Amino acid sequence: DAGVIQSPRHEVTEMGQEVTLRCKPISGHNSLFWYRQTMMRGLELLIYFNNNVPIDDSGMPEDRFSAKMPNASFSTLKIQPSEPRDSAVYFCASSFGQGATEAFFGQGTRLTVV
Amino acid sequence: KQEVTQIPAALSVPEGENLVLNCSFTDSAIYNLQWFRQDPGKGLTSLLLIQSSQREQTSGRLNASLDKSSGRSTLYIAASQPGDSATYLCAVDAAGNKLTFGGGTRVLVKP
Repeated sequence: DAGVIQSPRHEVTEMGQEVTLRCKPISGHNSLFWYRQTMMRGLELLIYFNNNVPIDDSGMPEDRFSAKMPNASFSTLKIQPSEPRDSAVYFCASSFGQGATEAFFGQGTRLTVV
Repeated sequence: KQEVTQIPAALSVPEGENLVLNCSFTDSAIYNLQWFRQDPGKGLTSLLLIQSSQREQTSGRLNASLDKSSGRSTLYIAASQPGDSATYLCAVDAAGNKLTFGGGTRVLVKP
């Protein structure tokens, strides 16, 4: 298996633009997570899906952030409009089962908003 | 609210020395604890996962212990090598698949 695949790897955009980050989880995994990593706050969970259904979105910082999982093999994280403080590395992770299971991470998308 | 702390934030050792990395957490009601490695500009690689019912887990030169009652985990890396240089993160699953991460320990193994 190729692991969790994220695209793009790097994104530079201007403030106010819409940004869409993409994730393909490991085949057969039924839980998907979006995390954000910054120097100041470390790794933070933004949202968690189980069987394509959002279970916990309490980490989504503002209404400008939205995430979807239309099927078991694809998820998006959208920021509209983007702001410079959204600059971070965004990671997608997947796991199988619910509770006490190992999480596998993608390579991340480095977002820079100028 | 679960809080995870890793001390020290950075560590430098000569090659061949054993590494000891510490992780503490505030709420002992956890499902599991996971140790990850992160290389600069890369994603996270899972190293070891310890279930809440286990006391330790081993993989090659790596050994991780878990003491839930005291809220501590330790990752031991035997006979360190320059290739072990990376940031090591521990994460606690206290809500069923919801990981809370520590700030990480940045390790440098000098040849």
